[in-house]
Amino acid sequence: AQSVTQLGSHVSVSEGALVLLRCNYSSSVPPYLFWYVQYPNQGLQLLLKYTSAATLVKGINGFEAEFKKSETSFHLTKPSAHMSDAAEYFCAVQRSNYQLIWGAGTKLIIKP
Amino acid sequence: DGGITQSPKYLFRKEGQNVTLSCEQNLNHDAMYWYRQDPGQGLRLIYYSQIVNDFQKGDIAEGYSVSREKKESFPLTVTSAQKNPTAFYLCASRNQGQGYTGELFFGEGSRLTVL
Repeated sequence: AQSVTQLGSHVSVSEGALVLLRCNYSSSVPPYLFWYVQYPNQGLQLLLKYTSAATLVKGINGFEAEFKKSETSFHLTKPSAHMSDAAEYFCAVQRSNYQLIWGAGTKLIIKP
Repeated sequence: DGGITQSPKYLFRKEGQNVTLSCEQNLNHDAMYWYRQDPGQGLRLIYYSQIVNDFQKGDIAEGYSVSREKKESFPLTVTSAQKNPTAFYLCASRNQGQGYTGELFFGEGSRLTVL
């Protein structure tokens, strides 16, 4: 069965430091991959998506992610964290029936 | 502005009562979805609909019901059969067919608390 694993339910970084949120997937076919962000008591907003056009995907708010098929990974990065980046981040992969499988989420904490 | 509207944002219910959560979209999307979110568990699919008057069960449909009488509306009823209904509920939609991008658009969510 397809699955998505996000390593670390909480990640804490200092303001200005590199942000790295990890996502690994299991899939037998080249997938659509997504990163979404959720602020407290709000819906989810798309950060970026991979659709096989390019392995390095740039998204909103300075985030980017690199698709590595050999590692079945799609890690999210941002060079310099800002206080406004504090939120929960979800990785998702599209199944063969077009439904999404979601990771459990990673809460990003920014230390001043 | 186009988007998805969920109501109410907060809802309290006594045990044994049914409650209906509203979801309306003006994005002209064909497909609509209901997810349940619990801390540390990500999103779990309850029901989805790809066309009017048709819907399919997701991974956790027991204790829930839906209808899709209009393209823009997809209400979710949490019935008294749902054993643990306290959660955050998210409605989403996306295009199908030629307009397909894979991206889901979400509402702001409804938080249901059973007292």
